[in-house]
Amino acid sequence: GAGVSQSPRYKVAKRGQDVALRCDPISGHVSLFWYQQALGQGPEFLTYFQNEAQLDKSGLPSDRFFAERPEGSVSTLKIQRTQQEDSAVYLCASSLAGYTEAFFGQGTRLTVV
Amino acid sequence: AQSVTQLDSQVPVFEEAPVELRCNYSSSVSVYLFWYVQYPNQGLQLLLKYLSGSTLVKSINGFEAEFNKSQTSFHLRKPSVHISDTAEYFCAVSPRDRGSTLGRLYFGRGTQLTVWP
Repeated sequence: GAGVSQSPRYKVAKRGQDVALRCDPISGHVSLFWYQQALGQGPEFLTYFQNEAQLDKSGLPSDRFFAERPEGSVSTLKIQRTQQEDSAVYLCASSLAGYTEAFFGQGTRLTVV
Repeated sequence: AQSVTQLDSQVPVFEEAPVELRCNYSSSVSVYLFWYVQYPNQGLQLLLKYLSGSTLVKSINGFEAEFNKSQTSFHLRKPSVHISDTAEYFCAVSPRDRGSTLGRLYFGRGTQLTVWP
């Protein structure tokens, strides 16, 4: 596609519910990144894929967070047993290669009530 | 470890006035430097970047930033702002080490630039 596409744009979850956030990167982009942006803060790194390999997951805040990219294209960020502190905008970005700039999607705003 | 400090959370200015958004960073390795802009309800867009070469980099819409290694700064400037420049601006760094990727970014907290008529 023309840009990075994320769905849904907005998600309201009850505390304890599981959620799945989808990211469609730009076609042909090898690298994919997930970021979490809390209200009033800058984005914080969660995890990074190169093709289907998850090379860095050091930013995932707990074992309730899980990301996958099984075919090296679409990625899903899953959050189990959501908590209020998980409320944030989740941003996905992709880049053609490791040495090229990343392009961001519009994000998914998750609100846990 | 890397960290980015944007000292001003909000900068209000009048149209056609000059503006400077400050960014300082701390890093144990050399870094690449970026400014991203976020318009309301939109994703982050790359405004400009410093990878190597001239320390003064410019965007197509009149912004410029200068890398100052001794002061570990990368301040963003524009000599005359427009109302359409109203947005949130994020400074970011990416570590320049082996195996690093430009998409692995450390962001500041952002500066909301509001341009008044």
